[in-house]
Amino acid sequence: NAGVTQTPKFRVLKTGQSMTLLCAQDMNHEYMYWYRQDPGMGLRLIHYSVGEGTTAKGEVPDGYNVSRLKKQNFLLGLESAAPSQTSVYFCASSYRGGRYEQFFGPGTRLTVL
Amino acid sequence: AQSVTQLDSQVPVFEEAPVELRCNYSSSVSVYLFWYVQYPNQGLQLLLKYLSGSTLVESINGFEAEFNKSQTSFHLRKPSVHISDTAEYFCAVSEGSNDYKLSFGAGTTVTVRA
Repeated sequence: NAGVTQTPKFRVLKTGQSMTLLCAQDMNHEYMYWYRQDPGMGLRLIHYSVGEGTTAKGEVPDGYNVSRLKKQNFLLGLESAAPSQTSVYFCASSYRGGRYEQFFGPGTRLTVL
Repeated sequence: AQSVTQLDSQVPVFEEAPVELRCNYSSSVSVYLFWYVQYPNQGLQLLLKYLSGSTLVESINGFEAEFNKSQTSFHLRKPSVHISDTAEYFCAVSEGSNDYKLSFGAGTTVTVRA
């Protein structure tokens, strides 16, 4: 099992450009999440999904959109990148919420110039 | 809404010395508590968790954490650290009633020196 994979691992964008980050999991998990990690701030939830075809906003959703057309994939889109979106992005998945462990991908390091 | 405070951002420690990482949370309901570890240039992985029952939980690599409900704390300890324990450690809290949300602390960087 590959677990949770993320594509790409690194990306540099110019302000105003768009991109999509892909997350895939092979554990048949219902819940998937996108976080951003910034120094001294821990992980902050951007968007999440509790099942195929569903998405919802987390605590820092502005400037991002997501889609979950297939159960195993969760896409994070930046329509018009800004320097404030420079961060490390982590995808995670879990069987359910609450008591269940979240499994994390290796991260995508994004720099917006 | 819950919040998580990790009281130390950086903890330098010598090899074979003990270490304690402090975590306090605020919540008005019962919670599930987690410690995650992030090794350099990797994603997070679960170290240990408290769901219910015994307030002392252990990991396979010698870490332990104790849930203290009255002090709303979940401190992490290891009696003797190794160089390989150098990593960032995150405390996280989930409220059972708020199914999806896992709130993370800001993290504690542990640097083990020979």
